[in-house]
Amino acid sequence: DSGVTQTPKHLITATGQRVTLRCSPRSGDLSVYWYQQSLDQGLQFLIQYYNGEERAKGNILERFSAQQFPDLHSELNLSSLELGDSALYFCASSPGTFRSDGYTFGSGTRLTVV
Amino acid sequence: AQTVTQSQPEMSVQEAETVTLSCTYDTSENNYYLFWYKQPPSRQMILVIRQEAYKQQNATENRFSVNFQKAAKSFSLKISDSQLGDTAMYFCAFMKPSNSKLTFGKGITLSVRP
Repeated sequence: DSGVTQTPKHLITATGQRVTLRCSPRSGDLSVYWYQQSLDQGLQFLIQYYNGEERAKGNILERFSAQQFPDLHSELNLSSLELGDSALYFCASSPGTFRSDGYTFGSGTRLTVV
Repeated sequence: AQTVTQSQPEMSVQEAETVTLSCTYDTSENNYYLFWYKQPPSRQMILVIRQEAYKQQNATENRFSVNFQKAAKSFSLKISDSQLGDTAMYFCAFMKPSNSKLTFGKGITLSVRP
């Protein structure tokens, strides 16, 4: 157990729908990162939050949004889902805004859009 | 922008033998960090080893070691005495201190044969 908790582990939904993925960072970590892993795009950075504020943005679609709450858990909202959004979504956390020894990853949420 | 290239999509090695996984990267930065992550069938992203670009000494973690060639922008992973539990996807990743984003390669699937 890495200490980073992601729920749900699996999610199947239809095109056009909206889903919310949840991440609880490791105790004491203030930064949360979201990554998408798909067969064609590989692992891509989506967005980072630090202590409730957006810190960095990557290849995140406009249909996607995220936030970090006062208790430091984060949610990734995916709307108007398309077949191509099917992927493994990872959350990772770190104590600060930068961690030279890498992050701690959760076990991911497998999203299948049908 | 940084890019990370893993040109070998898959490799196979006999148990107890040694295998080397290749990775090259492109950056104009002088200070950065390189990582190898392991993703077993459980999907968990596990940090295997890290290298700081300003350190000339190659990093070593038990059976895992790297060959870091800064001028050639090469960062290969050597796994000695391969074990069945080493079967996984391995990702090479790059990070610069000013930007906490991890840039990943496409990954390589390693199979360890009994």
